[in-house]
Amino acid sequence: GAVVSQHPSWVICKSGTSVKIECRSLDFQATTMFWYRQFPKQSLMLMATSNEGSKATYEQGVEKDKFLINHASLTLSTLTVTSAHPEDSSFYICSATGTGVNEQYFGPGTRLTVT
Amino acid sequence: SQKIEQNSEALNIQEGKTATLTCNYTNYSPAYLQWYRQDPGRGPVFLLLIRENEKEKRKERLKVTFDTTLKQSLFHITASQPADSATYLCALARSSGYSTLTFGKGTMLLVSP
Repeated sequence: GAVVSQHPSWVICKSGTSVKIECRSLDFQATTMFWYRQFPKQSLMLMATSNEGSKATYEQGVEKDKFLINHASLTLSTLTVTSAHPEDSSFYICSATGTGVNEQYFGPGTRLTVT
Repeated sequence: SQKIEQNSEALNIQEGKTATLTCNYTNYSPAYLQWYRQDPGRGPVFLLLIRENEKEKRKERLKVTFDTTLKQSLFHITASQPADSATYLCALARSSGYSTLTFGKGTMLLVSP
């Protein structure tokens, strides 16, 4: 089946620093990748959608200058949380889908804690 | 506004019984609906997709129904096992952005031996 990896699986950083999270599709070409955030006992909230080689489309209320997304290749997308604050602490999950595919394949998630 | 509702209370059932989870939605006309399983601290795993012109879909012990008139999907797990214990998420395709999904909050299923 389609496998998506994320790195790191967890990270602790100090307030004001930036953190980069990588999302890779290991065995298929991901034409579209999605980034979600999930707070405890809440649903996945879509942050942005990115297509390979083009700028990401951000959901309303998500600051594009704070959450930088790069989808440079068909197998890699990165999310950089810039100037992180404690309220950015959350579970960040990426997913990927290929051409003609409707289901999304999710990474294992990254737990970010900002102190 | 668009809403997806799943029962927020956990569903407790005994091993061997059939679990039935409900997903209701309003102000959507989704081209398809999907069900995912999520274990604690993990990303969701795709289970089934059902299109608007399909009434029912099956995969092994799983069955999904889709009633676009009632705006409801039912997700069944037959002969449930403790390993089926997880949170199950319903997701609807948005009208804009064919592959973009909106997720419900999920229902936790607990299967006791």
